[in-house]
Amino acid sequence: SQKIEQNSEALNIQEGKTATLTCNYTNYSPAYLQWYRQDPGRGPVFLLLIRENEKEKRKERLKVTFDTTLKQSLFHITASQPADSATYLCALCPTGGGNKLTFGTGTQLKVEL
Amino acid sequence: EPEVTQTPSHQVTQMGQEVILRCVPISNHLYFYWYRQILGQKVEFLVSFYNNEISEKSEIFDDQFSVERPDGSNFTLKIRSTKLEDSAMYFCASSEEDIRQGQPQHFGDGTRLSIL
Repeated sequence: SQKIEQNSEALNIQEGKTATLTCNYTNYSPAYLQWYRQDPGRGPVFLLLIRENEKEKRKERLKVTFDTTLKQSLFHITASQPADSATYLCALCPTGGGNKLTFGTGTQLKVEL
Repeated sequence: EPEVTQTPSHQVTQMGQEVILRCVPISNHLYFYWYRQILGQKVEFLVSFYNNEISEKSEIFDDQFSVERPDGSNFTLKIRSTKLEDSAMYFCASSEEDIRQGQPQHFGDGTRLSIL
């Protein structure tokens, strides 16, 4: 069956460190993968998109990698700040899969002082 | 920055009643979506809408659900006879182009629907 898996345990890190979040998928062939941020009681906010032919994408302190052989995307936040504390969702749109996103369960990140 | 707005922010309804959730997508966007998120669970796709018709729907989107774009700005989700299990946060989203072309979706902040 098709699955998108993110670490369900919260990730706690110290301010200034790099946070790395993982998204693994099975039985999908995504054309691209997206990362969103969700704060409590709010809607997801788009952060980055990476296509199947791209290995890495950067935006300010954010970096995403995409390994279609491992079927995995890694999301990095460098120099993390308490304001980065949120739940991070990966979402994919499979090749030939229709006009919709399929989301992972999300990983909660807590950045402590 | 333009945003997707949803009303009401919280809707409390008796089981069996009809409810309409409203959304104003970003004005130049052509593709519209509804998702839901049951408390503590993942965001789930319900339906996508383009050119005044449904382009995709999930198994959740059964005959009790309908969507409409009654005018040039609003996009609504109607649940005809609500059930307890319809209690969730409902998110509206829009995109400028078909997301299969690699477009991000812009989400509203949701309507929390509570069925009593």
